[in-house]
Amino acid sequence: KNEVEQSPQNLTAQEGEFITINCSYSVGISALHWLQQHPGGGIVSLFMLSSGKKKHGRLIATINIQEKHSSLHITASHPRDSAVYICAVDYFGNEKLTFGTGTRLTIIP
Amino acid sequence: ETGVTQTPRHLVMGMTNKKSLKCEQHLGHNAMYWYKQSAKKPLELMFVYNFKEQTENNSVPSRFSPECPNSSHLFLHLHTLQPEDSALYLCASSSGWGTDTQYFGPGTRLTVL
Repeated sequence: KNEVEQSPQNLTAQEGEFITINCSYSVGISALHWLQQHPGGGIVSLFMLSSGKKKHGRLIATINIQEKHSSLHITASHPRDSAVYICAVDYFGNEKLTFGTGTRLTIIP
Repeated sequence: ETGVTQTPRHLVMGMTNKKSLKCEQHLGHNAMYWYKQSAKKPLELMFVYNFKEQTENNSVPSRFSPECPNSSHLFLHLHTLQPEDSALYLCASSSGWGTDTQYFGPGTRLTVL
């Protein structure tokens, strides 16, 4: 069964800290997505990447295809970054996303 | 108005009630999705519609009945639900079905008593 594993499940940090959230998957993928879900439910797509690295503001996403691993980094974290971060992958031959269980991030002022 | 909207945002219903969830997208997308999100579980895909045709039914019980009258609107009709169906129901849309970035609505928080 193709699965997506995220770590840690929960992360609490002080404002300003550098944050790293990890995602591992099991077989070949065509793309990996990072999503952000704020309290209340709405989900926002942050990145879609298939190789290398992408940056948007204080957010950086990287992917290592050989190791089947991706990381989401947040620099200079802020309380408004508090949310659940979800990793999802498009497995080859499976035209629907497979989701991880998410990482709950809390940034304390 | 832009993006993906869902109504109602919150719904409480008894097991014998019939209700409907509505999703509308103003992005000109051709694919629309229903997801279920239960506590501590990954998002579960329920249904996919591509150009108004159902392309995916992920073994969802028949007490959930989707309807897609056009590419902009998606409904989820609910009847005879069980308490374990209580969850956040999310609608999403994408330009094409498959690997395109999906845009999510705010969700409907459903409680079945």
